[in-house]
Amino acid sequence: EVQLVESGGGLVQPGGSLRLSCAASGFTVSSNFMSWVRQAPGKGLEWVSVIYSSGSTFYADSVKGRFTISSDKSKNTLYLQMNSLRAEDTAVYYCAREIGDNYSDAIDIWGQGTMVTVSS
Amino acid sequence: QLVLTQSPSASASLGASVKLTCTLSSGHTTYAIAWHQQQPEKGPRYLMRLSSDGSHTKGDGIPDRFSGSSSGAERYLTISSLQSEDEADYYCQTWGSGIRVFGGGTKLTVL
Repeated sequence: EVQLVESGGGLVQPGGSLRLSCAASGFTVSSNFMSWVRQAPGKGLEWVSVIYSSGSTFYADSVKGRFTISSDKSKNTLYLQMNSLRAEDTAVYYCAREIGDNYSDAIDIWGQGTMVTVSS
Repeated sequence: QLVLTQSPSASASLGASVKLTCTLSSGHTTYAIAWHQQQPEKGPRYLMRLSSDGSHTKGDGIPDRFSGSSSGAERYLTISSLQSEDEADYYCQTWGSGIRVFGGGTKLTVL
């Protein structure tokens, strides 16, 4: 079964750091385009970052320079390193797989999400 | 700038049909999109990929009641024979080189 399971969320103070993990099963993370998407409380979905199967990475302007997306082929896991966290980063973070393995395309698999709360 | 526009809300009666709209910004009217459903207190679920010619590929287990169509810059999601569990937020999503975009979402109420 194709599945994504996020972990690593929690409560962190403003300015702090957190690393989210997304363990995949049923497919190879490094062979697909993978994204992180977040949803602030009561708000809509917001794209955060994408990593291509080539290793190229891209970020939303709101997180550029603070967040880093990466993947570990040996662990079949996607990561999101979040630094210099702000209150406005408070959200449920979802990892997601795209249909394409070497081209941009629709998200077809979602994780269940992990909550990140930035507060003092 | 790649932007998707959705109406904030829609409503329809149990057993009826509803058509939700997602509009692509000028200069991007040939883009494909995806539709995702988010039921209350749940994560999003992929419904279908929808091309500019109206052809669509649905996700595993998505009922035949869900269908997609296209016209110009508009991308549509039609849900027929509405059921109570269809009450949810519906998001359209598209993609470009190094960017992914979501519409603001439409909250569907089943009366």
